[in-house]
Amino acid sequence: DGGITQSPKYLFRKEGQNVTLSCEQNLNHDAMYWYRQDPGQGLRLIYYSQIVNDFQKGDIAEGYSVSREKKESFPLTVTSAQKNPTAFYLCASSIVPYGEQYFGPGTRLTVT
Amino acid sequence: GQQLNQSPQSMFIQEGEDVSMNCTSSSIFNTWLWYKQDPGEGPVLLIALYKAGELTSNGRLTAQFGITRKDSFLNISASIPSDVGIYFCAGQKDDKIIFGKGTRLHILP
Repeated sequence: DGGITQSPKYLFRKEGQNVTLSCEQNLNHDAMYWYRQDPGQGLRLIYYSQIVNDFQKGDIAEGYSVSREKKESFPLTVTSAQKNPTAFYLCASSIVPYGEQYFGPGTRLTVT
Repeated sequence: GQQLNQSPQSMFIQEGEDVSMNCTSSSIFNTWLWYKQDPGEGPVLLIALYKAGELTSNGRLTAQFGITRKDSFLNISASIPSDVGIYFCAGQKDDKIIFGKGTRLHILP
């Protein structure tokens, strides 16, 4: 079955630690995206990548970093510089940039 | 910047009732998408609309791409308990895709 996987489902970290969230897709999609979702809020774009070895900042990139070394993978690192990292993180992909996006199951990150 | 106004923000209905929600914008879009998100899960694409005036159904769900290209509507007929969740619209144009803040659907027992 083709799809997007995110791991782990739940992640707990201490303040001051960097943490990397995994996102893998086997849909052969060119574009991948990371969103942050807070309670009662819509989806806010963190970073996106249209093609391997290329990525652009979204609306709330500060305190986050990404890499796109392989088409299938788009990991997100939440750095200690992110002031309010506790949130639900969603990864998505689309066949072409800005096309229909398909989402993974999400990772809920809690930083204490 | 571009914004989508999605309404209502929340709705409480009885099982079996029909549901209507909409998204509006001051900007035009080339594509409208409707997603449903269950608690603790990622959004799932329900319906994609590509042409102004287009009306598309997916089971009990029907969505329309507004003639002005600035709005879209989603209707759910004969609601059932598993319809509970958050419904998001998204508008796409050129190098942008914008998401609404969602309509949270509650079904009363």
